[in-house]
Amino acid sequence: QVQLQESGPGLVKPSETLSLTCTVSGGSISSGSYYWNWIRQPAGKGLEWIGRLYASVSTDYNPSLKTRVTISVDTSKNQFSLRLSSLTAADTAVYYCARDLRGYSYGLELDHWGQGTLVTVSS
Amino acid sequence: QSVLTQPPSASGTPGQRVTISCSGSSSNIGSNTVNWYQQLPGTAPKLLIYSNNQRPSGVPDRFSGSKSGTSASLAISGLQSEDEADYYCAGWDDSLNGPVFGGGTKLTVL
Repeated sequence: QVQLQESGPGLVKPSETLSLTCTVSGGSISSGSYYWNWIRQPAGKGLEWIGRLYASVSTDYNPSLKTRVTISVDTSKNQFSLRLSSLTAADTAVYYCARDLRGYSYGLELDHWGQGTLVTVSS
Repeated sequence: QSVLTQPPSASGTPGQRVTISCSGSSSNIGSNTVNWYQQLPGTAPKLLIYSNNQRPSGVPDRFSGSKSGTSASLAISGLQSEDEADYYCAGWDDSLNGPVFGGGTKLTVL
């Protein structure tokens, strides 16, 4: 059974860059054709898709965050990562990594999720 | 303001059938499939329905999904107290060229 676990700093200063890592266990991130996603959720609010990585080679980003987001992969560590720059208080949220069910391009069928990690942007 | 519109709240009594709606447009629900998530308090979302009406393994058949035109619905029959959660619809938007979530519906079991 595939499991995902987010890790990274819980507190980041405004204008700095957030770096989060998602460690995948129970399966290889480079095998199969799956989308590996980042999602976030501000406290008491809804879900926002940040972006995704496909087959370790291509990425798609939310247009509203595209200029600030980079998603990358380290297949040797079975991890994928999120970098979000120029942080403001509005980026304070629980950040989740998730894998989709079957590699379907035009959907958001996320059936494996990490537990989430709270990131607070504050000086 | 979410691209997919859901009612902020819904409620029902144990055993009842409730439905949650998700309204979109021709660029999202009208031309792509819809998925539904359940989020229990303090936990990560769980995929309930994918491809409009398919249940992942392990999801009870009390949960069902449907789509018609530019709207979709999640139905929960035989409502149970443990169904009290937030529910989100999601799908692809051709105009944005990416996936979007609805704003979420908080379901209360009275």
